[in-house]
Amino acid sequence: KNQVEQSPQSLIILEGKNCTLQCNYTVSPFSNLRWYKQDTGRGPVSLTIMTFSENTKSNGRYTATLDADTKQSSLHITASQLSDSASYICVVSAWSSASKIIFGSGTRLSIRP
Amino acid sequence: NAGVTQTPKFQVLKTGQSMTLQCAQDMNHNSMYWYRQDPGMGLRLIYYSASEGTTDKGEVPNGYNVSRLNKREFSLRLESAAPSQTSVYFCASSEPWNPRSENEKLFFGSGTQLSVL
Repeated sequence: KNQVEQSPQSLIILEGKNCTLQCNYTVSPFSNLRWYKQDTGRGPVSLTIMTFSENTKSNGRYTATLDADTKQSSLHITASQLSDSASYICVVSAWSSASKIIFGSGTRLSIRP
Repeated sequence: NAGVTQTPKFQVLKTGQSMTLQCAQDMNHNSMYWYRQDPGMGLRLIYYSASEGTTDKGEVPNGYNVSRLNKREFSLRLESAAPSQTSVYFCASSEPWNPRSENEKLFFGSGTQLSVL
């Protein structure tokens, strides 16, 4: 069964600190993995995309990694800001049809001043 | 350029009432989707439309119907609302998936919070 699991479910850190969010997946055949950021009351917005051949990709203070062998991804946030408070959703797409996009349940990140 | 626009933002229904959620995108995307988001769960696909004139069931289609009115608009209808349909509903659009596309990205609306009493 295609699944995407994220950890932790929630995380609270102080402003300026770094953090790492985890994503494990069992989606097959694997096409790509995206991290989305969802602010409260808004729809998700894509942060990064990782394909099978990519190990690391950065977008400003966000760095995503992918290990296709172990089927794990991480999202590292550097020097956190209050605006980073949001849910971060790992989304994995399979090579089969437009409907095979599997969403994780997200990590709720809170940044405290 | 508004992206994906959903209406209404909030709605309260009584059990058995019907309603239609509206969605429109101005990015000329072929594919459109309806998802629901429940606490502690990932977004689940209700219906999708790979192109104008086609619709397909997703993971949780029961109790819903959709209409792809034209390339821009994709509506979701609840014929007889039930408390189990209390959720946040998101419409999304993207370029069509194909085996050579590695850049499929979903653009989401801001959501409709629906409560069924």
